[in-house]
Amino acid sequence: AQSVTQLDSQVPVFEEAPVELRCNYSSSVSVYLFWYVQYPNQGLQLLLKYLSGSTLVKGINGFEAEFNKSQTSFHLRKPSVHISDTAEYFCAVSTSGAGSYQLTFGKGTKLSVIP
Amino acid sequence: DGGITQSPKYLFRKEGQNVTLSCEQNLNHDAMYWYRQDPGQGLRLIYYSQIVNDFQKGDIAEGYSVSREKKESFPLTVTSAQKNPTAFYLCASSPRGASGEKLFFGSGTQLSVL
Repeated sequence: AQSVTQLDSQVPVFEEAPVELRCNYSSSVSVYLFWYVQYPNQGLQLLLKYLSGSTLVKGINGFEAEFNKSQTSFHLRKPSVHISDTAEYFCAVSTSGAGSYQLTFGKGTKLSVIP
Repeated sequence: DGGITQSPKYLFRKEGQNVTLSCEQNLNHDAMYWYRQDPGQGLRLIYYSQIVNDFQKGDIAEGYSVSREKKESFPLTVTSAQKNPTAFYLCASSPRGASGEKLFFGSGTQLSVL
């Protein structure tokens, strides 16, 4: 079984400052890793994914994440945030080759961008 | 445009009442899912269906029921046995066997108890 821990439930940050949202996972087998974003009263939208290959993955809206197998982490970063980045962010994990029904989600991190 | 439509956006349930949440997709996806979202709890899988006329329980199926009579539709019934139904419910779909990069979500239904 796998699990996901998002270390911060809320992260306030000033506009144009950098941000890092932390995610750690546990699994005994190879994993796929994902970050989703949820705007208020909306569904989730895929931000980026790691399936294999380069450990640095780039996503939409200027976000990127780095897969670190030794530290079992997949932290999300953006060098300069905008007001429009205010949303809740979810890290998720599935085992390699598993179907979407085997996704395990973290509890989410609310990013608040302060003007 | 292809997508997933959930209705209604807001729903109220009286004590002892069953309510049904609608989910329709026109993405031609085989698999569909229902998640429950509580504040600070992330998403938890209620039921999923990988093909028409077949579905499986997820992690928190008690107090819920589903049907999958058509490929494009996967309604969720919250029964009176669900004692704490207030939550945001999300429907999703994907091609069968796809991992999370091909999971598409609807806009959700907020269910509240009167």
